[in-house]
Amino acid sequence: EDQVTQSPEALRLQEGESSSLNCSYTVSGLRGLFWYRQDPGKGPEFLFTLYSAGEEKEKERLKATLTKKESFLHITAPKPEDSATYLCAVQVKTSGSRLTFGEGTQLTVNP
Amino acid sequence: GAGVSQSPRYKVAKRGQDVALRCDPISGHVSLFWYQQALGQGPEFLTYFQNEAQLDKSGLPSDRFFAERPEGSVSTLKIQRTQQEDSAVYLCASTSPGWASDTQYFGPGTRLTVL
Repeated sequence: EDQVTQSPEALRLQEGESSSLNCSYTVSGLRGLFWYRQDPGKGPEFLFTLYSAGEEKEKERLKATLTKKESFLHITAPKPEDSATYLCAVQVKTSGSRLTFGEGTQLTVNP
Repeated sequence: GAGVSQSPRYKVAKRGQDVALRCDPISGHVSLFWYQQALGQGPEFLTYFQNEAQLDKSGLPSDRFFAERPEGSVSTLKIQRTQQEDSAVYLCASTSPGWASDTQYFGPGTRLTVL
């Protein structure tokens, strides 16, 4: 069974304090790994897709990396507006186009 | 351009009532997905359409759940005889077919509360 586990469940940072969120996965053939941001009362907002081990993508203060077993979302010098829940999801070759999500990491950045 | 829209945004139903949730995908997007998100959890897959064809409905939790997309654009998720455990946010996503993995773009969701 495909599994996605995110850690920590919640993370509280001071503004400017860099850190990383983890997404570990056990799947039978990865097609792609997705990172989304979700604000309260809203739908998930797409951030990145990673396809193969060693791949990295960046957007402003965020950088996503991928290995054969896990992905990291690095947040450099975060700001309060980065506060949100970050969701990781996988798309598996044997499961068509559906996404399997982790439970998310709730990030709070204090000013 | 316009994103995925869903209506209503909030729905309160008494246990046993039927509800219908609507999704308008991004114009031109062929594929449409429904997910269910319980409070504090990640979204869980319900069903998937490519045009009007429902290609995967393996995530629907019971035969009380039914989805349709008759003309390959707007989709409706119907829940019959609602139960308290159906309370959740129902998310719709759409994507345009492309190479390898396709990015799914989500709507704002419909929050269903069953009393």
